[in-house]
Amino acid sequence: DTAVSQTPKYLVTQMGNDKSIKCEQNLGHDTMYWYKQDSKKFLKIMFSYNNKELIINETVPNRFSPKSPDKAHLNLHINSLELGDSAVYFCASSATGLLTEAFFGQGTRLTVV
Amino acid sequence: GQQVMQIPQYQHVQEGEDFTTYCNSSTTLSNIQWYKQRPGGHPVFLIQLVKSGEVKKQKRLTFQFGEAKKNSSLHITATQTTDVGTYFCAGSGEYGNKLVFGAGTILRVKS
Repeated sequence: DTAVSQTPKYLVTQMGNDKSIKCEQNLGHDTMYWYKQDSKKFLKIMFSYNNKELIINETVPNRFSPKSPDKAHLNLHINSLELGDSAVYFCASSATGLLTEAFFGQGTRLTVV
Repeated sequence: GQQVMQIPQYQHVQEGEDFTTYCNSSTTLSNIQWYKQRPGGHPVFLIQLVKSGEVKKQKRLTFQFGEAKKNSSLHITATQTTDVGTYFCAGSGEYGNKLVFGAGTILRVKS
């Protein structure tokens, strides 16, 4: 009965491939996020959606494209994967934006070889 | 843009010693949140501070928000091995809607 679930948990793929990470939350939240955590543990926001609408789009290569089919889902598609994309990607959600606590998924460890 | 600095980057303590991590923002914050990430885990919300000068306690953890709402600290009294992990502060700017995370402080506790 996980609140924020991501799949897959681990993803190993070759350079140049296209891959997707899925995220679903069952908390009834209207805001969802994608964060990237690099090897130094630094957490950087990539995207934020509120009620299926993009509200934050940080300086992220356009190879990264989020998609929100409904407010409970926020998927991340990555085209033409590069070595530097290797990281842990966290999905998170919150109730009314960034002034309430964020609930994180368990993370997807992406390794590009 | 808004930046949140966190120090120290690493802290190794002997079990029973105290630990403090500090967070400083380049701009005034509307709130500050603290998260804990266990090794191999995901960030878990600990607390949120909103008011200037606010102090909150959770058992051995004490959280403070500065008077100018630009800095915050987390203090752990008498650390235990269960306290190991990375502690992140995260702030939301006064006029922004973006939660910016500090770099985190990795705490190791030697028993």
